[in-house]
Amino acid sequence: DGGITQSPKYLFRKEGQNVTLSCEQNLNHDAMYWYRQDPGQGLRLIYYSQIVNDFQKGDIAEGYSVSREKKESFPLTVTSAQKNPTAFYLCASRGNSRMNTEAFFGQGTRLTVV
Amino acid sequence: DQQVKQNSPSLSVQEGRISILNCDYTNSMFDYFLWYKKYPAEGPTFLISISSIKDKNEDGRFTVFLNKSAKHLSLHIVPSQPGDSAVYFCAASARDSNYQLIWGAGTKLIIKP
Repeated sequence: DGGITQSPKYLFRKEGQNVTLSCEQNLNHDAMYWYRQDPGQGLRLIYYSQIVNDFQKGDIAEGYSVSREKKESFPLTVTSAQKNPTAFYLCASRGNSRMNTEAFFGQGTRLTVV
Repeated sequence: DQQVKQNSPSLSVQEGRISILNCDYTNSMFDYFLWYKKYPAEGPTFLISISSIKDKNEDGRFTVFLNKSAKHLSLHIVPSQPGDSAVYFCAASARDSNYQLIWGAGTKLIIKP
């Protein structure tokens, strides 16, 4: 079945540690996105990639890093520089980021700093 | 500066009645609008979209209306069912913003038995 897979579903991190969230898609989509959702807020864009080996900062990129070495994969690293990392993280993809299309989402990863 | 606003954090509707979810936007360049449904601890799922060249799009129980002059869109669900209880997000995009999706804060819909 085609879709987007995020792992793990729940993740706990100690303060000061980096952690990497996985996102894989088999939809053959060019564009991939990382969003953060906090209670009572909409989805805020962290990073996006329109093509392999290229990515752009979103609205809240500070404290995060990404890579796009393969079309199928867009991992997100939450670094120790992110001051408030506890949140629900969502990965999405779109077939073509240069036209109006819907985005498809993974199931999300709940990150908690302990 | 929120470009897409969902002013009602929550809405309660009787099962079988019509649910109307509202969304306002400020950017007149938006030309594509989408509605997503989200259950707790899951990713949003796409429901329905509308292009700015239309004022209505229908898909089963779901209808989206677009009023460009008022910069307002609404999602109608009729009849409302218990499984419709979820958070609904509207989103918009514009060619001149590189088609980035701009999201509202969501409205929690509760369907009462």
